[in-house]
Amino acid sequence: AQSVAQPEDQVNVAEGNPLTVKCTYSVSGNPYLFWYVQYPNRGLQFLLKYITGDNLVKGSYGFEAEFNKSQTSFHLKKPSALVSDSALYFCAVRDGKAAGNKLTFGGGTRVLVKP
Amino acid sequence: EPEVTQTPSHQVTQMGQEVILRCVPISNHLYFYWYRQILGQKVEFLVSFYNNEISEKSEIFDDQFSVERPDGSNFTLKIRSTKLEDSAMYFCASSESWQQNQPQHFGDGTRLSIL
Repeated sequence: AQSVAQPEDQVNVAEGNPLTVKCTYSVSGNPYLFWYVQYPNRGLQFLLKYITGDNLVKGSYGFEAEFNKSQTSFHLKKPSALVSDSALYFCAVRDGKAAGNKLTFGGGTRVLVKP
Repeated sequence: EPEVTQTPSHQVTQMGQEVILRCVPISNHLYFYWYRQILGQKVEFLVSFYNNEISEKSEIFDDQFSVERPDGSNFTLKIRSTKLEDSAMYFCASSESWQQNQPQHFGDGTRLSIL
């Protein structure tokens, strides 16, 4: 079975400071990992993915994520947060060993960037 | 940028009534999905669909649920006899291929309220 945990319900950060949103996962096979962002009254917007290769993945809007196999983590990062980054962030995993294509999501982390 | 569109944005229905949620996936995408998010809970996979067939479904997707691609553009989720616990945000998603490294692109969702 595949699962994802986002240990923080909310992250508060001052504008201009680095932002980190944590995610850990559990799969049987190789993980395919995704980050999505949700703004109010909108759907889930794809930010970035890790499939294989470099452990540091770069995505949209200056976000990046670091894959760590030994810690089974895929933390989302942004070096300098903007007020407009305030949103709900979801980590998702797909198990490379499982049949099918369903995504399993974490519970989401609300990010609040204060001016 | 192409988007997944969902209608209506909000649907209010009496318990026991049938409801149809509509989605127009991205035009060159071939794989379609429905997810739901009950208020305050995780985004959960319901069903995936390809080539006019269900590819995978979760335990949530019981006989009350059905999906259909009635024409070349629409993808619908029908709930035959709604229950109070069906109240949730329903997200449609599509992906270009079945490859597990392909991201799924989500619509803005339909908020379903069962009275």
